[in-house]
Amino acid sequence: DIQMTQSPSSLAASVGDRVAITCRASQSISNYLNWYQQKPGKAPNLLIYAASSLKSGVPSRFSGSGSGTDFTLTISSLQPEDFATYYCQQTYSPPRTFGQGTKVEIK
Amino acid sequence: QVQLQQWGAGLVKPSETLSLTCAVYGGSFTGYSWNWIRQPPGKGLEWIGEIDHSGSATYNPSLKSRLTISLDSSRSQVSLNLSSVTAADTAVYYCARAYVVAVPIIRLWGFDPWGQGTLVTVSS
Repeated sequence: DIQMTQSPSSLAASVGDRVAITCRASQSISNYLNWYQQKPGKAPNLLIYAASSLKSGVPSRFSGSGSGTDFTLTISSLQPEDFATYYCQQTYSPPRTFGQGTKVEIK
Repeated sequence: QVQLQQWGAGLVKPSETLSLTCAVYGGSFTGYSWNWIRQPPGKGLEWIGEIDHSGSATYNPSLKSRLTISLDSSRSQVSLNLSSVTAADTAVYYCARAYVVAVPIIRLWGFDPWGQGTLVTVSS
C-alpha cells in the first residue's frame, strides 16, 4: 500500500495568513494526488485534482503543487470559511489511501 | 449536475451484514469509478473499494474477505455489503464518483461528487 503522510496534523492561523500543508507519498504517484476540504458533519469536498488542477468553482486562493512523492496545498489568504480539515489522497493505485488530515484552526 | 443519494440501515448488530445503496442521478456510469469510503467518528478517511461501469470491483485488502460491491446500471445504483461487522465498522459511510484516467492499471482523478453520508452504528 502507498502511505500518505501529511504535515502538520494541525495548525492555528489568522484570517489573511498564507497557509501551506504538505503531503508525502511513500512511493512515486506521478501527479495522481488530490486535496479535499471537510467541514464538521459534511462530506469531503474536492478542491484540487491531478496535484495542481483547481476544481471548477473552487476559489483561486487555493493552489496545489508537486509531483512524484512531495506535494503542497497552499491557501494564499485564509478566509473565515477555510477553517476546516484538509486531506490529501492518492489515486495512482488501489487502495486509494488518504493522508491523516490537517486541521486548520483559528488563532 | 450529477448527484449521489445514499441510504441503508443506520444500526446493525454485531456479526450481521451492513448494506448500503448509492443512487446516481443525472449522470452516466461509463468512464467512471464508483467508490465507497468510510470515516469512524472523529477519525480520518478510509477507502473501502471501487467498481467500474463493467462491474469489475477492487477492494481494500483490509476488508476484502468481508466485502461485496455491486452495480445495477439499470437502476443507476451501486451497493455495498460488509459482512460479519464489529464495533470497529462503526463509521459514516460515503459513496463517491471518480473519473477513470487510464487503464488497465486504473488511475483516477479526484472523488467528486460525494453522497451525503450514512452513519452506521454496530451495536447489539
